[in-house]
Amino acid sequence: DAGVTQSPTHLIKTRGQQVTLRCSPKSGHDTVSWYQQALGQGPQFIFQYYEEEERQRGNFPDRFSGHQFPNYSSELNVNALLLGDSALYLCASSPTGQGSYEQYFGPGTRLTVT
Amino acid sequence: AQSVSQHNHHVILSEAASLELGCNYSYGGTVNLFWYVQYPGQHLQLLLKYFSGDPLVKGIKGFEAEFIKSKFSFNLRKPSVQWSDTAEYFCAVSPYNTDKLIFGTGTRLQVFP
Repeated sequence: DAGVTQSPTHLIKTRGQQVTLRCSPKSGHDTVSWYQQALGQGPQFIFQYYEEEERQRGNFPDRFSGHQFPNYSSELNVNALLLGDSALYLCASSPTGQGSYEQYFGPGTRLTVT
Repeated sequence: AQSVSQHNHHVILSEAASLELGCNYSYGGTVNLFWYVQYPGQHLQLLLKYFSGDPLVKGIKGFEAEFIKSKFSFNLRKPSVQWSDTAEYFCAVSPYNTDKLIFGTGTRLQVFP
């Protein structure tokens, strides 16, 4: 049973560019959440997708957007990249749209903005 | 605003020593509580969780945590640490009926043989 997978593993972009990160949830999970983990910090909630819609959003600007596909996989898009967007981006999945379930994390995508 | 505080940023112990990592949260409503661990080079893994019931919960690898509602705390404990417990430990809170996790800044634990 594959866990949460993310691609790519590493990415280097230039300020002002746009980036797309991808996530496939654990089998049987239909909810995907995205987190940003800056160096030395805990993960910060960006947003959550369920039934192909953004269900919750953290305190991130509109430059951060996402999408969920019918197969539950998800993309995180970041426009107009800033140096401060350099971080590890984590995807997590859970088995239901709402409720008290644990989240399973992927290995992350390390984004470096130069 | 909802927040989680982990007061110990870096803890260094010898094997067999006892461990207690502090976690306090600020949120007025019902919450679910978690401890996640990140071993070197690995992804975040759930160590233990509290949803309801007995406030003393046991997790994997001999870890346990106690929820003290009056103190808004969920401290992690282990009676005797091993070198393999070297990792980063994150406390997280999820407001009831949401899957949104609010993490603390983490505690780096180093255990020396």
